[in-house]
Amino acid sequence: EPEVTQTPSHQVTQMGQEVILRCVPISNHLYFYWYRQILGQKVEFLVSFYNNEISEKSEIFDDQFSVERPDGSNFTLKIRSTKLEDSAMYFCASKSGGGAKNIQYFGAGTRLSVL
Amino acid sequence: GESVGLHLPTLSVQEGDNSIINCAYSNSASDYFIWYKQESGKGPQFIIDIRSNMDKRQGQRVTVLLNKTVKHLSLQIAATQPGDSAVYFCAENADSWGKLQFGAGTQVVVTP
Repeated sequence: EPEVTQTPSHQVTQMGQEVILRCVPISNHLYFYWYRQILGQKVEFLVSFYNNEISEKSEIFDDQFSVERPDGSNFTLKIRSTKLEDSAMYFCASKSGGGAKNIQYFGAGTRLSVL
Repeated sequence: GESVGLHLPTLSVQEGDNSIINCAYSNSASDYFIWYKQESGKGPQFIIDIRSNMDKRQGQRVTVLLNKTVKHLSLQIAATQPGDSAVYFCAENADSWGKLQFGAGTQVVVTP
């Protein structure tokens, strides 16, 4: 069964450092998302991406965040200068088409620990 | 603001019993709702969805009920098994780009 894969599973970084979280969405999917989940809290939307551009972003997704689909298969989330409060699980998701009905499939997540 | 939320943070269920997880939403314009299951250390896993033009939808051992009058969503799990122990989230499709707005989550604990 096709799945969304994320690497690494755990990333430890120092405050102020740049991190790149990587995702390989399901191959025929066209819509891509990043969400985050702070420990013990609900999943929060960060950004949606379609047709090589951001379609929507949340207030969390400030100018320290960026996304890229560099080669047609990977979908990355970059945090330029990490803060302690960026520590969370980051989930990538994808879906095949537009409209409300298409199911979003989530990866297993990357746990980001900012020290 | 608009939000999706859950009534109970933890639900303890005896193995074999039925589970009911509730969710309230406030955005009356929402037209699509999804239940996800999240096991420890894993990402959200799709369980079942429902559009606003339906009141009920059944899957394998799961049923989702939608009451638009009171803006309430529930997930029923029949004959709950140990493997059903997880956190369950309701989510609302908040726009045409597919942005999901998640509720707070309910921890389901299945006891023998």
